[in-house]
Amino acid sequence: EVQLVETGGGLIQPGGSLRLSCAASGFTVSSNYMSWVRQAPGKGLEWVSVIYSGGSTYYADSVKGRFTISRDNSKNTLYLQMNSLRAEDTAVYYCARGNDPKYYFDYWGQGTLVTVSS
Amino acid sequence: QSALTQPRSVSGSPGQSVTISCTGTSSDVGGYNYVSWYQQHPGKAPKLMIYDVSKRPSGVPDRFSGSKSGNTASLTISGLQAEDEADYYCCSYAGSFNWVFGGGTKLTVL
Repeated sequence: EVQLVETGGGLIQPGGSLRLSCAASGFTVSSNYMSWVRQAPGKGLEWVSVIYSGGSTYYADSVKGRFTISRDNSKNTLYLQMNSLRAEDTAVYYCARGNDPKYYFDYWGQGTLVTVSS
Repeated sequence: QSALTQPRSVSGSPGQSVTISCTGTSSDVGGYNYVSWYQQHPGKAPKLMIYDVSKRPSGVPDRFSGSKSGNTASLTISGLQAEDEADYYCCSYAGSFNWVFGGGTKLTVL
């Protein structure tokens, strides 16, 4: 059974850093593309970043240069390193599995809340 | 990349049909047959309902169907049931390894 479990969220001051983790089971993260999608309180979904099986990474303009997506194949875990955090980064962050070679997300985690506030 | 445009809310009575629209541009919805739809109940993770414009994953009732015309995609739910009440989001691949979501539509079953 495919499962994704996000951890690492919390309250952080503006300008701070945080690393989110997404532990996967039931499949191998390095065999699929994986994304982070976020949802600000009361708002819609926003795609944040993707890492492909070959290691290529891409980002939404809103986080480019501040966020870094990565994975640890030995731990079967996806990460999102978030630096220079802003109030507008406050959201629930979901990790999602991409259905390679297609362009949709077939499994999602339950999300972890990141609150950027002083 | 601007968010896709969805109506903020739609409603219908049990047994009726509703359609949710999702309007983008030729760079996303109109340019690719890679529109997907997600259902989200309050406090829960999104669930895939439709992919590749009109395909249903295993386990999704055939009451859910998708279509696309030009820059607008649509999700139709027929035979509405109480458990269909949720938020629905469209999503399109937008090229250059980017995706764009819609703002979401709240479905109320009267």
